[in-house]
Amino acid sequence: KNQVEQSPQSLIILEGKNCTLQCNYTVSPFSNLRWYKQDTGRGPVSLTIMTFSENTKSNGRYTATLDADTKQSSLHITASQLSDSASYICVVSDMEYGNKLVFGAGTILRVKS
Amino acid sequence: DAGVIQSPRHEVTEMGQEVTLRCKPISGHDYLFWYRQTMMRGLELLIYFNNNVPIDDSGMPEDRFSAKMPNASFSTLKIQPSEPRDSAVYFCASSLDTSGANVLTFGAGSRLTVL
Repeated sequence: KNQVEQSPQSLIILEGKNCTLQCNYTVSPFSNLRWYKQDTGRGPVSLTIMTFSENTKSNGRYTATLDADTKQSSLHITASQLSDSASYICVVSDMEYGNKLVFGAGTILRVKS
Repeated sequence: DAGVIQSPRHEVTEMGQEVTLRCKPISGHDYLFWYRQTMMRGLELLIYFNNNVPIDDSGMPEDRFSAKMPNASFSTLKIQPSEPRDSAVYFCASSLDTSGANVLTFGAGSRLTVL
């Protein structure tokens, strides 16, 4: 069964610190990998989309990396802010099933002052 | 564009009652998706439409759930009769297509509580 697993499940960091969230997947073949940010009480919002041929993509203080050989991705947040507190969801597009999106369970990040 | 618009934002109902959730996708988006999110199972795809036609409804839990898209700017998800285990946040999302670079845009969600 195709899976997307994220770690850690939750994370607490101090404002201003950096952090890295991990995503391991078994979906194959895949067409793209996405990271979404979901604030409490809101819908997920896209941060980055990477195709299988891309290694890194940045969106402000967010940088996503992808290693298609090891089937791993990471989301690095630099100089965290209180507004970064949210759930971060890794999503892989399953090419074999018409690009059906396979969602990870998410990492809950809390940034403390 | 105002994005994907969902209503109601919150719904509290009693077991056995009918629930109707509504969605207005982004204009020009050909694909519309209904997802359900719970703590236990995360985000699950229920059904999606392409040009108002249901393409894949394999995620619909059972016959109590039904979805329609009568036109390009409106869709409904109906649960009848509702049960406590249906309590979740239901998201509607839309996209231009399902290609690799396409962004899926979510609405703010409808939080359903069935007592």
